[in-house]
Amino acid sequence: KAGVTQTPRYLIKTRGQQVTLSCSPISGHRSVSWYQQTPGQGLQFLFEYFSETQRNKGNFPGRFSGRQFSNSRSEMNVSTLELGDSALYLCASSPLAGSSYNEQFFGPGTRLTVL
Amino acid sequence: AQKVTQAQTEISVVEKEDVTLDCVYETRDTTYYLFWYKQPPSGELVFLIRRNSFDEQNEISGRYSWNFQKSTSSFNFTITASQVVDSAVYFCALSGATTGNQFYFGTGTSLTVIP
Repeated sequence: KAGVTQTPRYLIKTRGQQVTLSCSPISGHRSVSWYQQTPGQGLQFLFEYFSETQRNKGNFPGRFSGRQFSNSRSEMNVSTLELGDSALYLCASSPLAGSSYNEQFFGPGTRLTVL
Repeated sequence: AQKVTQAQTEISVVEKEDVTLDCVYETRDTTYYLFWYKQPPSGELVFLIRRNSFDEQNEISGRYSWNFQKSTSSFNFTITASQVVDSAVYFCALSGATTGNQFYFGTGTSLTVIP
């Protein structure tokens, strides 16, 4: 079974631009979560999508948004990029939603650098 | 509130030594789950173990073992006879019955195994 895939793997943007990151979950998984990893703040939860609906959202400004498609693939968008948005963005998939029993399977991440 | 503390930021050991990574958690949920993930330099988080709050049995998997103690809110991870391939950042994570697939991660412990 293929794992979680994320594209692109690396991205360089300038302040004020917007960016879209993509995540394809493991086949059959319907829940996709996004995390931001930075040296200062560690791993922080952004949001979770299940069946095309956002189920949970972390404490991030509205510039961070996401969506999920009918095939469970998900995208996250960051508008008006700031230097502090430079981070590794990790996507995780899980078979079910709302069940903390399920381990999450992580992709390799997208390394975003904002100049 | 959910919180995970990994007080050890960096640890260095010589190959074949045993090493224990500490994890202390806080939660108000009576049902919760604890996880350990390994993050090698490639960036992808690799699932190691899941434990639920009702199962305090210690677990051993090869050179890895985990000690879960509710009385001290700790979920420590021991690597026996460490190897260079164990060098990575290790994260402890918590999810509660009220938080579904939202994981709360510790800040991670960077382990370096010196040959």
